[in-house]
Amino acid sequence: DQQVKQNSPSLSVQEGRISILNCDYTNSMFDYFLWYKKYPAEGPTFLISISSIKDKNEDGRFTVFLNKSAKHLSLHIVPSQPGDSAVYFCAASATDSNYQLIWGAGTKLIIKP
Amino acid sequence: DVKVTQSSRYLVKRTGEKVFLECVQDMDHENMFWYRQDPGLGLRLIYFSYDVKMKEKGDIPEGYSVSREKKERFSLILESASTNQTSMYLCASSPLGKLNYGYTFGSGTRLTVV
Repeated sequence: DQQVKQNSPSLSVQEGRISILNCDYTNSMFDYFLWYKKYPAEGPTFLISISSIKDKNEDGRFTVFLNKSAKHLSLHIVPSQPGDSAVYFCAASATDSNYQLIWGAGTKLIIKP
Repeated sequence: DVKVTQSSRYLVKRTGEKVFLECVQDMDHENMFWYRQDPGLGLRLIYFSYDVKMKEKGDIPEGYSVSREKKERFSLILESASTNQTSMYLCASSPLGKLNYGYTFGSGTRLTVV
């Protein structure tokens, strides 16, 4: 049973426009969420996170929104740049699980020139 | 800067060989993890360890074993490599009780079993 779902395997966005990547979760005990970015032949790198006490966290071009009632989070990238082309993973954890991360399957973002 | 180093970027092994993948971290992290990444399946946890000599099975431990004799080193062992173990293998570490930045990953090892 997938506890963290990224339902879009891929997303294509024009350079300069907004990219929106979505993630849904089922476990109401999750209280911390992270987004990772992964280039081919490299390990994932941390991008941005959000605690369940917040509904928004912003870092430069990247903003994560959390809707706890819908068990949904999204990552907004604006404006999208060619270097943003990568696979994006959503991950969640619960404090009582020793912070073990549960991962989504990833969304491949392609930025078109 | 936290660094997680995986010994090989690319490996090609024959079916039936015993394969060792090594991972070393330099930040005194308690937690270490081994994942494999396959297209469409995301990151799947093979094994993890919370301390020296401790290990816990993840979601897909079959065909794998691990060793953690020292805090900084976590090894993944494929006892008898098979073609369905061809994959990207990722090692990660994190401090106990802290998740501000999640896990720190190594660059990965692309293993091909022929």
